Amino acid sequence: GAVVSQHPSRVICKSGTSVKIECRSLDFQATTMFWYRQFPKQSLMLMATSNEGSKATYEQGVEKDKFLINHASLTLSTLTVTSAHPEDSSFYICSARSSGGAQFQSEQYFGPGTRLTVT
Amino acid sequence: AQSVAQPEDQVNVAEGNPLTVKCTYSVSGNPYLFWYVQYPNRGLQFLLKYITGDNLVKGSYGFEAEFNKSQTSFHLKKPSALVSDSALYFCAVRDEDSSASKIIFGSGTRLSIRP
Repeated sequence: GAVVSQHPSRVICKSGTSVKIECRSLDFQATTMFWYRQFPKQSLMLMATSNEGSKATYEQGVEKDKFLINHASLTLSTLTVTSAHPEDSSFYICSARSSGGAQFQSEQYFGPGTRLTVT
Repeated sequence: AQSVAQPEDQVNVAEGNPLTVKCTYSVSGNPYLFWYVQYPNRGLQFLLKYITGDNLVKGSYGFEAEFNKSQTSFHLKKPSALVSDSALYFCAVRDEDSSASKIIFGSGTRLSIRP
């Protein structure tokens, strides 16, 4: 099956610094990628949807200037948490939808997640 | 707008007994429904999905789910629970008629299987 990877799997950074998380579709092309955030013992909350070559669409309440998303190619999307603070500590999961076939028939695959800890 | 609800935060079942994890949904168009499982500090693992066809969907690890359009439900079931089934389960929905076509997750149900 299709594989989505994330790098790094864990990152610890100091408050005020920026952190970049990469999401790659390894064996398929993804026109659309999604970024989710999961706090401990909570559900996955969709942060934003990105389409290759265009600006990301952010969900209500998500600061686009703080969570910068770049989807420069059909296999790579990045999430940059700018000026991170302890409250940004969370589990970030990306998801990629394959571009093959009809839009609503295409599968959505999830990465293994990145644990961000801001000290 | 689409939404999905999992009314139970936790479900406790004895090993060998049948289990059910409940899920109800709301969409404006036709629903695509999913179940995922998450083990501690891990990403999501896909269990099964309903798009069209038979209302009873069979998935991984012996799980199945029944789509009930009149009750807008998609409960996850397994005839005989294993201790290794203990994990966090998420129901999710995608609205076929939505241009955004994004997967929205329920709040999750923690399944605990006692030996």
